[in-house]
Amino acid sequence: DAGVTQSPTHLIKTRGQQVTLRCSPISGHKSVSWYQQVLGQGPQFIFQYYEKEERGRGNFPDRFSARQFPNYSSELNVNALLLGDSALYLCASSLGLVAGGGPVSYNEQFFGPGTRLTVL
Amino acid sequence: AQRVTQPEKLLSVFKGAPVELKCNYSYSGSPELFWYVQYSRQRLQLLLRHISRESIKGFTADLNKGETSFHLKKPFAQEEDSAMYYCALSLINQGGKLIFGQGTELSVKP
Repeated sequence: DAGVTQSPTHLIKTRGQQVTLRCSPISGHKSVSWYQQVLGQGPQFIFQYYEKEERGRGNFPDRFSARQFPNYSSELNVNALLLGDSALYLCASSLGLVAGGGPVSYNEQFFGPGTRLTVL
Repeated sequence: AQRVTQPEKLLSVFKGAPVELKCNYSYSGSPELFWYVQYSRQRLQLLLRHISRESIKGFTADLNKGETSFHLKKPFAQEEDSAMYYCALSLINQGGKLIFGQGTELSVKP
């Protein structure tokens, strides 16, 4: 297994444009999360999807959206790009969710190489 | 609010010296903490998880709930340890969402 894969590797867009980033999880993993990593900072959570449903959303504007497909791959869409959207976008996959209120179980996330988005 | 703080942006040591990368967290629930590492031109990868209390590549980390800390330690640094290190808090009640610190760049000099 190649691990989590992301495409494209690099992307250059201009302000106001729209972008779609893609992620393929590790085989057997049903949960995908997206993170934004701005230069010099740690990754910041954007979304989590499990079984094609959004299960978590970070503090990002509505210009950011995502979806998960039946094969558990995922897309992150960003509309009306701003200069501040320039970052490394990371996708992480894991086996599945921890049920709220249920027994706690460990849920390791495996990261992809990221897509470097530059907005000019 | 949940927060992870890594006070040092850069830590520079000589080969063979002890290393301690600091991490403090703020979380009202029972924390699940991790250390991730990113070597040059490689993807982010898990180094340690506090639950398993294991030692990886000579690194250990102990969760101190009283001090809300999860410092990463290694007694003798190696040049190949040079990398970015991120402390992360997993929110169990939010599906394992990770809250990362800002990261510490470890530079081990020969």
